[in-house]
Amino acid sequence: NAGVTQTPKFRILKIGQSMTLQCAQDMNHNYMYWYRQDPGMGLKLIYYSVGAGITDKGEVPNGYNVSRSTTEDFPLRLELAAPSQTSVYFCASSYPGAGDLGEQYFGPGTRLTVT
Amino acid sequence: TQLLEQSPQFLSIQEGENLTVYCNSSSVFSSLQWYRQEPGEGPVLLVTVVTGGEVKKLKRLTFQFGDARKDSSLHITAAQPGDTGLYLCAGATSGTYKYIFGTGTRLKVLA
Repeated sequence: NAGVTQTPKFRILKIGQSMTLQCAQDMNHNYMYWYRQDPGMGLKLIYYSVGAGITDKGEVPNGYNVSRSTTEDFPLRLELAAPSQTSVYFCASSYPGAGDLGEQYFGPGTRLTVT
Repeated sequence: TQLLEQSPQFLSIQEGENLTVYCNSSSVFSSLQWYRQEPGEGPVLLVTVVTGGEVKKLKRLTFQFGDARKDSSLHITAAQPGDTGLYLCAGATSGTYKYIFGTGTRLKVLA
């Protein structure tokens, strides 16, 4: 299994440009998450999904959009990029267990710079 | 808005010392996880606790979930340079499908 894969690994955007961060998992996990991590900080939840066709906002959804058309893929769309969106973006997936949401498996991250 | 505060924010210690990291909130969690993250990588799960008062051990690491399920601690005995990293707690409240991460504790263990 490849686990959770993310592309691209690095990207530089100009202010106002748009892009899609790709995330895929091959573990048949129901739950998928997008986080951003600013330097030296913890992770902030952007959006999450509990299954194909179901998405919901996290703590910091403004400026982002997601879709979940399949179990495997959970792309994150940035519209009109702003310098405040400079961050490292992590995608994660999990399979809920008894009493908890399950271990989150993280991708390697996408480092995005907006200038 | 849920808030998970971790303390200390930074910790630099000598190899062989003991340390404790705290994760506190005013919210009650149905489950709480601890992760470790190394530079340039995603976080990796260390443990999940779900019962108030629960204690779990992972080699030299001891995790405790508070009786009221609002706080947790991570204790490392005889720290080693390999323990260096960013430690993150993450809590989920009942009826939700998401974890909220703490502010993080950056640990550096000097040889």
